[in-house]
Amino acid sequence: GQQLNQSPQSMFIQEGEDVSMNCTSSSIFNTWLWYKQDPGEGPVLLIALYKAGELTSNGRLTAQFGITRKDSFLNISASIPSDVGIYFCAGLMDSNYQLIWGAGTKLIIKP
Amino acid sequence: NAGVTQTPKFQVLKTGQSMTLQCAQDMNHNSMYWYRQDPGMGLRLIYYSASEGTTDKGEVPNGYNVSRLNKREFSLRLESAAPSQTSVYFCASTGRGAYNEQFFGPGTRLTVL
Repeated sequence: GQQLNQSPQSMFIQEGEDVSMNCTSSSIFNTWLWYKQDPGEGPVLLIALYKAGELTSNGRLTAQFGITRKDSFLNISASIPSDVGIYFCAGLMDSNYQLIWGAGTKLIIKP
Repeated sequence: NAGVTQTPKFQVLKTGQSMTLQCAQDMNHNSMYWYRQDPGMGLRLIYYSASEGTTDKGEVPNGYNVSRLNKREFSLRLESAAPSQTSVYFCASTGRGAYNEQFFGPGTRLTVL
C-alpha cells in the first residue's frame, strides 16, 4: 500500500538540542497530521495541518505543511527527556477516511 | 470522557483459537478504525467503519472480520488466529468532517503461539 517516507528513522540527541524530522511523498495530500507514541500507549495527536504553507505551533513543537502539498516537517525546540518516543506523520489524500502513515521517527535522548 | 477504550489489554492465543477485540468510544464519533502495529513499522489499517452500519476493508484485512455494533462500538474478530497475527492492535475514531484527526485507544497486545 501507499506509504509516506519519514526520516530520519531514529535520532540520538542531547537534551536541549533542537530536533527536525520530515515526511515526503510523491502524492499530494490535503491534510497532514503529526502524532507521538509513548511506549505501551496509543498515538496521540500533536499537530494538524490543513493548508499548503501552513505553519502551526504547539508549545515547543512547530510543524509545516509543505507548499507543494507533498511534504511536511516537524521541529522540536530545546528537547527535554519527556520528548522521547516515536513520532509519526500521517496524511489524508481525500475524503476516503483512510490516513496514510509514515513508519515513524524514534527519538532517543542521550544521558 | 474516557475517549477510546479497548479490551483486553493483553491476550495470548494458541494457533487456531478465535477471539474478539472490543473497542468503544464516547465522543459521538462517526468513523472508527482498526490498525495493527508491528515492531519498527507504522500503522496498517485492517478495517474501518465510516459510519454506523458500514464497514470497509483497509490495507491488511485478511484473517479478520469486524462488526460495527452501534455508533459507539466497533469489534475486531480473529476467527482462526495465526502467529503472523501477533501484533499490537489499535482502535481509533474520528468525528464528522474533512479533518480526520483520529483519536486512539491504548492498544491490545496479542501474541499467537
